Amino acid sequence: GESVGLHLPTLSVQEGDNSIINCAYSNSASDYFIWYKQESGKGPQFIIDIRSNMDKRQGQRVTVLLNKTVKHLSLQIAATQPGDSAVYFCAETLYNFNKFYFGSGTKLNVKP
Amino acid sequence: DVKVTQSSRYLVKRTGEKVFLECVQDMDHENMFWYRQDPGLGLRLIYFSYDVKMKEKGDIPEGYSVSREKKERFSLILESASTNQTSMYLCASSPGLQEDGYTFGSGTRLTVV
Repeated sequence: GESVGLHLPTLSVQEGDNSIINCAYSNSASDYFIWYKQESGKGPQFIIDIRSNMDKRQGQRVTVLLNKTVKHLSLQIAATQPGDSAVYFCAETLYNFNKFYFGSGTKLNVKP
Repeated sequence: DVKVTQSSRYLVKRTGEKVFLECVQDMDHENMFWYRQDPGLGLRLIYFSYDVKMKEKGDIPEGYSVSREKKERFSLILESASTNQTSMYLCASSPGLQEDGYTFGSGTRLTVV
């Protein structure tokens, strides 16, 4: 499932602050999740992933949190930079299915 | 680096035209996908392919067809373009392993007038 809406949520943060982008997924059976970043004029790029047997995974400046109880995924970006301005999508899939379902995305604006 | 290349960045076509969107990947990936992306609706799967000459419908296949004659190339065809097919079209590929996710092309913005 995916979070579908008519409007693209927008998050505005000051450069240097931390950002938290949220995603609700609907299929409790989904067991693998990915966050993608899409810059203007480009295709989505892989940022970080997490399996359902984990609650938290950290990368470079990014952390993904998974709360299976409420079917919620979040992406935390530390010390947000202007280059982080983009649309961020979560994607979910079932094990061995290899077909992902995407959320509608959140636009992150980083103010200098 | 894996590259997924979409042949056109921008296209303008007339209603009723037959439109071909081409996608080529250079890493011998098994799986290829076509999505369309519309504001507020996210990415919606049109068609996908797990192998040469194999295709499966996604969530919104109506008005589209696909062709995969070679492993590296996956074409999306709009048999008779309509204005409601104006959108951003994204091609993606993956090697068939769940934990590799997708590699996307840069997209083709199609306008049907």
